[in-house]
Amino acid sequence: QKEVEQNSGPLSVPEGAIASLNCTYSDRGSQSFFWYRQYSGKSPELIMSIYSNGDKEDGRFTAQLNKASQYVSLLIRDSQPSDSATYLCAVKSRETSGSRLTFGEGTQLTVNP
Amino acid sequence: EPEVTQTPSHQVTQMGQEVILRCVPISNHLYFYWYRQILGQKVEFLVSFYNNEISEKSEIFDDQFSVERPDGSNFTLKIRSTKLEDSAMYFCASSVTRMGEQFFGPGTRLTVL
Repeated sequence: QKEVEQNSGPLSVPEGAIASLNCTYSDRGSQSFFWYRQYSGKSPELIMSIYSNGDKEDGRFTAQLNKASQYVSLLIRDSQPSDSATYLCAVKSRETSGSRLTFGEGTQLTVNP
Repeated sequence: EPEVTQTPSHQVTQMGQEVILRCVPISNHLYFYWYRQILGQKVEFLVSFYNNEISEKSEIFDDQFSVERPDGSNFTLKIRSTKLEDSAMYFCASSVTRMGEQFFGPGTRLTVL
């Protein structure tokens, strides 16, 4: 079983629509959850962090966390063509002393004008 | 806005040669990391560093790898004898706290011939 699993892409949405990205994780001890955006050939760029159950909103982005279900998601409202990128879910376990991030393989999002 | 910087942006080397990848973390950050991403694959943790010592390393980080903070600003990754399979993007990251957000540098593309 993969440690961090993301819904397989690619995901294509029209401009202005809501894009929904999902992630599940296997380690129940996970404490911190992050969404990164990665454009082709570039480094991961932090979009959102979430640490407790529920929703967290930042502009057009909403992260949702459900620790009981070991599930974290990212909603992008009013999607723009500039949102086209690969979205990486990353998880940090309190069990590891060095606080490594474990990444999923990413979901490629395309927003069509 | 403070950011992580990395040099060089691209390094080409011959198999068996030593390379040093350099990073300048964000100035008030205390935790430093190296990750790598082989083309088309997910981001993988290599090592974390805090208080001038390694706090965690992955199974990838074997004896050919080492890290150092030679002064108050630089953080380096040395690969002693490069192999073809070391070809990847290497990202440096830093965070203020152990469980907090990690910010990534632009990366160094390492090509081993």
